[in-house]
Amino acid sequence: QKEVEQNSGPLSVPEGAIASLNCTYSDRGSQSFFWYRQYSGKSPELIMFIYSNGDKEDGRFTAQLNKASQYVSLLIRDSQPSDSATYLCAVKRGGSTLGRLYFGRGTQLTVWP
Amino acid sequence: DAGVIQSPRHEVTEMGQEVTLRCKPISGHDYLFWYRQTMMRGLELLIYFNNNVPIDDSGMPEDRFSAKMPNASFSTLKIQPSEPRDSAVYFCASSYQGSTDTQYFGPGTRLTVL
Repeated sequence: QKEVEQNSGPLSVPEGAIASLNCTYSDRGSQSFFWYRQYSGKSPELIMFIYSNGDKEDGRFTAQLNKASQYVSLLIRDSQPSDSATYLCAVKRGGSTLGRLYFGRGTQLTVWP
Repeated sequence: DAGVIQSPRHEVTEMGQEVTLRCKPISGHDYLFWYRQTMMRGLELLIYFNNNVPIDDSGMPEDRFSAKMPNASFSTLKIQPSEPRDSAVYFCASSYQGSTDTQYFGPGTRLTVL
């Protein structure tokens, strides 16, 4: 079983809709969770991180964490064509202040006008 | 302020040749990471350094791969000899002690081994 699993997609939503991206992880001791966005041909960039159960909102983005279910999600409200990219979920295990990040393979999102 | 710098941006080589990828982290950052990205395996951490010292190289696929960080502003990833299965995009990323959860990625080097 991979450390981090994501819906392979692609996910296609109309402009203005809510895009929902999901991620599960295998290590129950994982402490930190991240969402990176990667445009085609570009490098990943961090858009959200979450450490505690519940929701964390930042503008149009909401990260949701459920440690009991080992589940992380990213909601994008009022999706825009500029949100079209691959979204990578990443997890850091517990027990160290800096450890390796384990990335999912990403979900490709297309927002059509 | 310049971000992470990688060179070359593209490299095409033939099987068996030596390949050297270069990275300059953001000034003041004391952590440096080397990743490899392929369609099949996604983004994988190969090795990371703290204060120029390798901390975790468990992701380095085999002895053909080696990485060095001779000083705080320069790192290399070397593949010798290269094989077609090494074809991938190689990213370098850096972060600093005060914000280790935020890694800044370079533009990547697209390596093609024929």
